[in-house]
This record gives sequence, structure tokens and C-alpha cells, in this order.
Amino acid sequence: ETGVTQTPRHLVMGMTNKKSLKCEQHLGHNAMYWYKQSAKKPLELMFVYNFKEQTENNSVPSRFSPECPNSSHLFLHLHTLQPEDSALYLCASSQDNQKHYEQYFGPGTRLTVT
Amino acid sequence: GQNIDQPTEMTATEGAIVQINCTYQTSGFNGLFWYQQHAGEAPTFLSYNVLDGLEEKGRFSSFLSRSKGYSYLLLKELQMKDSASYLCAVIRDSNYQLIWGAGTKLIIKP
Repeated sequence: ETGVTQTPRHLVMGMTNKKSLKCEQHLGHNAMYWYKQSAKKPLELMFVYNFKEQTENNSVPSRFSPECPNSSHLFLHLHTLQPEDSALYLCASSQDNQKHYEQYFGPGTRLTVT
Repeated sequence: GQNIDQPTEMTATEGAIVQINCTYQTSGFNGLFWYQQHAGEAPTFLSYNVLDGLEEKGRFSSFLSRSKGYSYLLLKELQMKDSASYLCAVIRDSNYQLIWGAGTKLIIKP
């Protein structure tokens, strides 16, 4: 238990569906991250929020839409996804994103797009 | 470009020692992390190196050579629970983003 929770743990959705992933951290951190993890590939950073403000968007397609209502919660809204978007989506948090603070990861949401 | 290389898979025997290497080429450097990830679980922090040399933490040690763009993770007295993927990640100094390697899957055999 790392102090970062994610729901759902597994999600199967069609290409026309809309769904949301939720992440919550109980560590008092100010930075939150979304990563995509595909088999045998490096973790891909998608979005970074620091003090609720988005600081990074690594050329992520608009079918992924993040939302950070406060420093403890992070959402990833999904719509009209493609089969190649099937992956493990990991949320992480750190004290902030301005130094070399270690990141704490949630268990991830295993997403399958059919 | 940014590049981090690790072996894809390694096999070792319970009770033995294994060294997992990581080489990197990045535009800027502000430290290197090692994380452990068991199958189906979250990555968890193992070590952080920013200066050259060896950092020891129990059965695990991590080494860094900045001039060579090289790090290794040394695991001693291997246990079956050490079977996991080990991820190397470099902090770029420009914006503190992590650049990740693809991970090394370590298989421990009795």
C-alpha cells in the first residue's frame, strides 16, 4: 500500500464509450502524474499537475483528457479510444515536481479497448 | 535524443548475487532512480543516485558513474520475492521529468 489508490483496477471499453479513471493520494503531495505502461516499453509520461495546475502534456491525443480538481485527486477522462490505447495506466504523486522527489505509484488501471 | 538501455530479462539463482546494468544518454542529468515492480503491482522506489559511487541499502546497492552514463543495481542474497521488473529512470535537469528505461525482468530460480 503506497498511499495512492486507483479505480477501477480493470476496465474494458468499446471504441465509442466514454469512461473515467480515478486516482487519489493520501500523502499530502502536491504533484500528480499520469503514465501509460505498455508491455516491454518504457513508462510514458502523459500529464503532470503541480498544485492543481497542469505543467506537462507530452503530446497526448485529445481523446485523453485529464482533470485535477485538487491536489489529492486526479482523473483521466477517456473517449473514442483506439485499440492501441490498451495498456496499464499508472498514477503517481510526489511532494512536488520541482526537485528530485521520489514518486509514489498507484496499482494502475488495466485498460482494454475492444 | 533521450535513451536509456537495460537488459530485457535476466535469470539468477536464489542466494546468489545479480547486477542489473543501465546506460543512459540524456540531455541533462539530475539523478537516477531505481524502482522495483512486481507483476500486476505498482512500481516502488528502491534508490536514488546523483553523485558518483555506490549507495548501499541492505541487500540492494546502486552505483553511478556520470562520466560513463552508467548505473547498476546490485542485489545480494537473492530471494524468490526479488523476482520482479527493475526500472531505471533518469531525471533531466531541465524540468525534473523522469526518462524511463523499459525495465529488466529478473527471474529467480531455486
